[in-house]
Amino acid sequence: GAVVSQHPSRVICKSGTSVKIECRSLDFQATTMFWYRQFPKQSLMLMATSNEGSKATYEQGVEKDKFLINHASLTLSTLTVTSAHPEDSSFYICSARDPRAGGWDFEQFFGPGTRLTVL
Amino acid sequence: GNSVTQMEGPVTLSEEAFLTINCTYTATGYPSLFWYVQYPGEGLQLLLKATKADDKGSNKGFEATYRKETTSFHLEKGSVQVSDSAVYFCRRYGGSQGNLIFGKGTKLSVKP
Repeated sequence: GAVVSQHPSRVICKSGTSVKIECRSLDFQATTMFWYRQFPKQSLMLMATSNEGSKATYEQGVEKDKFLINHASLTLSTLTVTSAHPEDSSFYICSARDPRAGGWDFEQFFGPGTRLTVL
Repeated sequence: GNSVTQMEGPVTLSEEAFLTINCTYTATGYPSLFWYVQYPGEGLQLLLKATKADDKGSNKGFEATYRKETTSFHLEKGSVQVSDSAVYFCRRYGGSQGNLIFGKGTKLSVKP
């Protein structure tokens, strides 16, 4: 199956700094990637949809100036948490849509996640 | 709006016990339904899926049947193993906007 990687897997940063998380599709080109946030013992919350070559579409309540998304190539999307604060500590997961998957646009493959801890 | 309701956990079972994790969905449109598994410290993995009514998804001994009459997609396994300990998420996909909706997750712990 398709493989999606994330880097880093864990990051600890000081309050006020910015952190960049990368999401890569390793063996396919992903025109669409998704960023999720998962709080402890809770479900995944879709933050934004990232389309290659265009601006990301953010879900209601997600601050676009705080969570900067860039999808500059067909295999890479980045999420930058700007001026991070302790409440931004969470597990961030990306997924990518594989266009080869029989035309079903629901076929998503998930990265392993990035654990962000803001001190 | 569209939603997925999943039974709350945690669920604790002994090895070889029968597992059922309930999932119901809102019936708007003709959604596709999925179960994902998340092992500790890892991302989500697709476990099984069903794209239309009466379809049965199956994988690794797990099964779920898309039941339109009860709007349900319950996950079952006849004999769980310790290695099945994980969090299981039900997901609904359907509609013009995609509606990437997950249930809240059910944590399963299997004791030897």
